Amino acid sequence: AQSVTQPDIHITVSEGASLELRCNYSYGATPYLFWYVQSPGQGLQLLLKYFSGDTLVQGIKGFEAEFKRSQSSFNLRKPSVHWSDAAEYFCAVAPDSSYKLIFGSGTRLLVRP
Amino acid sequence: DAGVIQSPRHEVTEMGQEVTLRCKLISGHNSLFWYRQTMMRGLELLIYFNNNVPIDDSGMPEDRFSAKMPNASFSTLKIQPSEPRDSAVYFCASSLGSDQPQHFGDGTRLSIL
Repeated sequence: AQSVTQPDIHITVSEGASLELRCNYSYGATPYLFWYVQSPGQGLQLLLKYFSGDTLVQGIKGFEAEFKRSQSSFNLRKPSVHWSDAAEYFCAVAPDSSYKLIFGSGTRLLVRP
Repeated sequence: DAGVIQSPRHEVTEMGQEVTLRCKLISGHNSLFWYRQTMMRGLELLIYFNNNVPIDDSGMPEDRFSAKMPNASFSTLKIQPSEPRDSAVYFCASSLGSDQPQHFGDGTRLSIL
């Protein structure tokens, strides 16, 4: 079945440490790929997107993500986490490069002081 | 710039009552999406409008739910009659086009008693 998988429900990192959040999808063609962040009581904010071209994409707040076709993955990274990065992160896929976003179940990031 | 604006932010009402959620799109955007977020099912697309026309309502749970776009900048999602299982956070999102990144409002937290 077509799906978007975020295998980590929770991740805890120390402030200043590096971060990698995993996302895998199971769709045939290369879809459009997105990462969103949701702070408590707020909506989803777009961090970055991949449509085509360079497989390493830069986003806001110092985040980047790498598309790996062979692994059907689009992992989110940040070299040094700040306390304000604590939030829930959602990977999303538009399978046929159109409007319909399929969201992963989210990864909640906790940041230790 | 003003983002997507949703009202009310919170709604508590008794089952059987009519509920109306409101959304103002970002100026210039022509695509409008309503989502529902629950712990059990995550983020689900309810309905998608393009240029004020409903394109995909396959995610609308049942006939109790209806959505309209009376003009290019405003939408409503109505539940009548409401039931406790409708309790969720409802998000509205808009985009410049059907294949462009979606920008989310802060959501309406709905509780049906």
